[in-house]
Amino acid sequence: DGGITQSPKYLFRKEGQNVTLSCEQNLNHDAMYWYRQDPGQGLRLIYYSQIVNDFQKGDIAEGYSVSREKKESFPLTVTSAQKNPTAFYLCASSPPGGRKTQYFGPGTRLLVL
Amino acid sequence: QQPVQSPQAVILREGEDAVINCSSSKALYSVHWYRQKHGEAPVFLMILLKGGEQKGHEKISASFNEKKQQSSLYLTASQLSYSGTYFCGTGNTPLVFGKGTRLSVIA
Repeated sequence: DGGITQSPKYLFRKEGQNVTLSCEQNLNHDAMYWYRQDPGQGLRLIYYSQIVNDFQKGDIAEGYSVSREKKESFPLTVTSAQKNPTAFYLCASSPPGGRKTQYFGPGTRLLVL
Repeated sequence: QQPVQSPQAVILREGEDAVINCSSSKALYSVHWYRQKHGEAPVFLMILLKGGEQKGHEKISASFNEKKQQSSLYLTASQLSYSGTYFCGTGNTPLVFGKGTRLSVIA
């Protein structure tokens, strides 16, 4: 079955620690995205990538880093510079072509210890 | 430019209808609609394209007014399963999402 997977479902971060959230897709989509969602809030774009080895900052990139070494994978690292990382993180991907419909993975909930 | 959704929240009884609006200050060529249930990821419902209309899901339909730069989502004879937050997304890559409309359907 094709889809987007995110792991882990829950992640705990200690002060000063970097953590990496995984996002994998087997839909052969070119573009991938990371969003942050705070309780009761909308979707805020962190980073996105349209092709391998290239990515662009979104609205709230500070304190986050990404890589796109493979078409299928777009991991997000939450660095210690992100002072308020507690949120629901959503990865999405979209196929090539005109409509650019984004499909979301199940999400990772990050909590700070 | 983030699209503006209205209302912010709405409560319905089962069987009632609702309309959710999405407006943009920029020209619209397409509008995506998503529904997110609590604790889950947003799920794509349908896309509205310039010059056309697509119905995509259950008793949920939508319209697209290019002149007004607005799209409306119509939920007919609402069911408990319709509860969730509805987002519209506009633009290209990436989509820009509105802040969402929280819909609660009660028995």
